[in-house]
Amino acid sequence: DTGVSQNPRHKITKRGQNVTFRCDPISEHNRLYWYRQTLGQGPEFLTYFQNEAQLEKSRLLSDRFSAERPKGSFSTLEIQRTEQGDSAMYLCASSSLVEGNTIYFGEGSWLTVV
Amino acid sequence: AQSVTQPDIHITVSEGASLELRCNYSYGATPYLFWYVQSPGQGLQLLLKYFSGDTLVQGIKGFEAEFKRSQSSFNLRKPSVHWSDAAEYFCAVGARSGGSNYKLTFGKGTLLTVNP
Repeated sequence: DTGVSQNPRHKITKRGQNVTFRCDPISEHNRLYWYRQTLGQGPEFLTYFQNEAQLEKSRLLSDRFSAERPKGSFSTLEIQRTEQGDSAMYLCASSSLVEGNTIYFGEGSWLTVV
Repeated sequence: AQSVTQPDIHITVSEGASLELRCNYSYGATPYLFWYVQSPGQGLQLLLKYFSGDTLVQGIKGFEAEFKRSQSSFNLRKPSVHWSDAAEYFCAVGARSGGSNYKLTFGKGTLLTVNP
């Protein structure tokens, strides 16, 4: 068990460009979550999947954001037409009912929009 | 809607001293409660969790927390702090989101500095 893996760890992009982050959950965890954390704040919920189904999306997730989890394995979070306000750390997490539903986080992907 | 308040933004303690980090939550049902720790530039590591049962829960690294329903609190404690405990600590409440699913709402965190 290698934990939740996120790539890339750091991304610097110009305003208006698209970026994509990938998350590989802990093996056999059927639930996957995305959170966003800005400086000086706690993480904020964005969305979560159970297997391949996206069950809930936060109002924070504007139309420029899209998350997918094809085949219920890894997940991608794409941000289109990035804005400076998108600069944050994007955290992925996963859980499994078998493990008592405890949510485990990855190391995060830092996004800087210049 | 659920919320978490961590009243102390920054706490400084001396190495070897005891520690208590405060957490108050607001949630309309029996909560799931968590403490996570985050080192600079890193993700979150789970210290401990409360789902039900014994209100005093033990976690990793010598931490413990006590759920007090009457005070809507879940304070984190450690009897003797080590320099390696310096980090940011987040309290979170899990709000049920369909069946056994839940999503976490975090406080703003408490930054712990440990003096030698």
